[in-house]
Amino acid sequence: GNSVTQMEGPVTLSEEAFLTINCTYTATGYPSLFWYVQYPGEGLQLLLKATKADDKGSNKGFEATYRKETTSFHLEKGSVQVSDSAVYFCALTNQAGTALIFGKGTTLSVSS
Amino acid sequence: GAVVSQHPSRVICKSGTSVKIECRSLDFQATTMFWYRQFPKQSLMLMATSNEGSKATYEQGVEKDKFLINHASLTLSTLTVTSAHPEDSSFYICSAASLVSNTEAFFGQGTRLTVV
Repeated sequence: GNSVTQMEGPVTLSEEAFLTINCTYTATGYPSLFWYVQYPGEGLQLLLKATKADDKGSNKGFEATYRKETTSFHLEKGSVQVSDSAVYFCALTNQAGTALIFGKGTTLSVSS
Repeated sequence: GAVVSQHPSRVICKSGTSVKIECRSLDFQATTMFWYRQFPKQSLMLMATSNEGSKATYEQGVEKDKFLINHASLTLSTLTVTSAHPEDSSFYICSAASLVSNTEAFFGQGTRLTVV
């Protein structure tokens, strides 16, 4: 079945540093890809998504490009802020396209 | 974005008792709701998918008699953990989607269950 692997954390950065969180996937067919964020004490929120190859999802300065040739959907941000500290989950739709399969999450901690 | 309300946010129960967790979509009709379980420092594990008015589809390894799911209306799904044991202690998260209108899935804030 479909699965996703994301880099293990925690990732610790200083404010304004460049962020990359790697995510690769295995899938049958053409899944949609997502990044979700979970801020401390809150539920998951959709950060960005891409539904087909070469699509770029972007939101709040974060970007990720659906790369079919490398089966990747790496999350990037050029300049992180303390408020970006959270757990980030990469996800993709399951084979049936009816549910999401999540990676293990990567904790990001940004200090000023 | 749409709002999904999950209640309670925290519950502590004694071994052998049952606990019901509610998931409500507040401003849209959710044809499909998903229940996940999240272990500490682990990913969300899909437990089951429920479509309004029909029986839930459970993932492999999830006991349907232990985790009872009801999706009786387009705005409410419930997960009942029956005869809870300490190993059922976990973080349970629901999400709701309207596959008819192809909306994204929106997540509740989760329920921390502790069985003592």
